[in-house]
Amino acid sequence: QQQVKQSPQSLIVQKGGISIINCAYENTAFDYFPWYQQFPGKGPALLIAIRPDVSEKKEGRFTISFNKSAKQFSLHIMDSQPGDSATYFCAASTKADYKLSFGAGTTVTVRA
Amino acid sequence: DGGITQSPKYLFRKEGQNVTLSCEQNLNHDAMYWYRQDPGQGLRLIYYSQIVNDFQKGDIAEGYSVSREKKESFPLTVTSAQKNPTAFYLCASKGRSNEKLFFGSGTQLSVL
Repeated sequence: QQQVKQSPQSLIVQKGGISIINCAYENTAFDYFPWYQQFPGKGPALLIAIRPDVSEKKEGRFTISFNKSAKQFSLHIMDSQPGDSATYFCAASTKADYKLSFGAGTTVTVRA
Repeated sequence: DGGITQSPKYLFRKEGQNVTLSCEQNLNHDAMYWYRQDPGQGLRLIYYSQIVNDFQKGDIAEGYSVSREKKESFPLTVTSAQKNPTAFYLCASKGRSNEKLFFGSGTQLSVL
């Protein structure tokens, strides 16, 4: 049973457009919410992360929005570039053990 | 050059055979993890170890075994009891004072 539900499974966006990926969770003990980026044949790499005491975090073109009451968080990729084409995973963990539970992943394709 | 090294990159298993995947890190991290990645299912935790000579089962440990005799090394054995071993296997590590998970480049295991 997946503890973090991620959507959509895939999306296609034009260069310069905005990519939005959504995640939802049930476990209210989760208090760390990272996003990982994975290119084909490689391991995932941390992109950006947020804690539930803030509603938004921005790093360059990447923004996490967090809604604690709805138990949802999302990744926005602004001004999407072909180099952003990858699979993105949301994840969550608790302070107790830092075992990450991952979403199923979203494959983003940016068309030039 | 610090990081996590997984080998081999590709591995083939015959029916009834045990195979071992190697994972070595030179990041001086205490915690190490093994994840299995299947298309459309995200990453699922197999085993993890927070300290040398100690390890715990993750969500899908059946058919797998691990050892942690050295801080730098966390090999995973896929036993003949694992009936569906074809997947991409990812090793990761984490430092004590940081939540960031570092991943290796993965091993693709296939059944002959």
